[in-house]
Amino acid sequence: EVQLLESGGGLVQPGGSLRLSCAASGFTFSNYAMVWVRQAPGKGLEWVSGIGGSDGRTFYTDSVKGRFTISRDNSKNTLYLQMNSLRAEDTAFYYCAKDTGQFSNWFDSWGQGTLVSVSS
Amino acid sequence: EIVMTQSPGTLSLSPGERATLSCRASQSVISNYLAWYQQKPGQAPKLLIYGVSTRATGIPVRFSGSGSGTEFTLTISSLQSEDFAVYYCQQHSAWPLTFGGGTKVEIK
Repeated sequence: EVQLLESGGGLVQPGGSLRLSCAASGFTFSNYAMVWVRQAPGKGLEWVSGIGGSDGRTFYTDSVKGRFTISRDNSKNTLYLQMNSLRAEDTAFYYCAKDTGQFSNWFDSWGQGTLVSVSS
Repeated sequence: EIVMTQSPGTLSLSPGERATLSCRASQSVISNYLAWYQQKPGQAPKLLIYGVSTRATGIPVRFSGSGSGTEFTLTISSLQSEDFAVYYCQQHSAWPLTFGGGTKVEIK
């Protein structure tokens, strides 16, 4: 059974940093691209970033380019999102999700999410 | 960026009724790269449909997807109690990947 478990969320001041982690199990992690998708409370879904399974190619939405960095450690079956220069508008639940291949770009398994709150 | 627009915002229906949800893309380049997800309160999204019309593993046949070009539809043939939720479309053609704003299907 595929399992994705996010951690690392919390309350941070504007301008601060957080690193999210997503521990994966139940599948061959390196064979699949992975993404982060966020959802502000009561709002819709927003794709944030994606990373290839083995080639490490990365993609970002414009609003986080230069501030967020996605990475992965295939030896630890873990996905990361380093978030710097956080803004109030980054407040959201952050979900990690598994691609069905190498950038098929639809997502068949999701974690339960971790909440990031940016506030002074 | 490809903008995805869903309508209506809210659909009020009774169990057993047919639900028709619409999704429009701002560009026709998405071809057949369109997915649908269901999200219930407090839960993560769940993949229903990809490639416009292919049901994901374990998804009941009452869910069907159709469309082409810029206009796409998710149909639930006969609403069950567990189907009342928010539904999102997502284009998986080009980066940045984008979702529609969602359609809430509520009990009438």
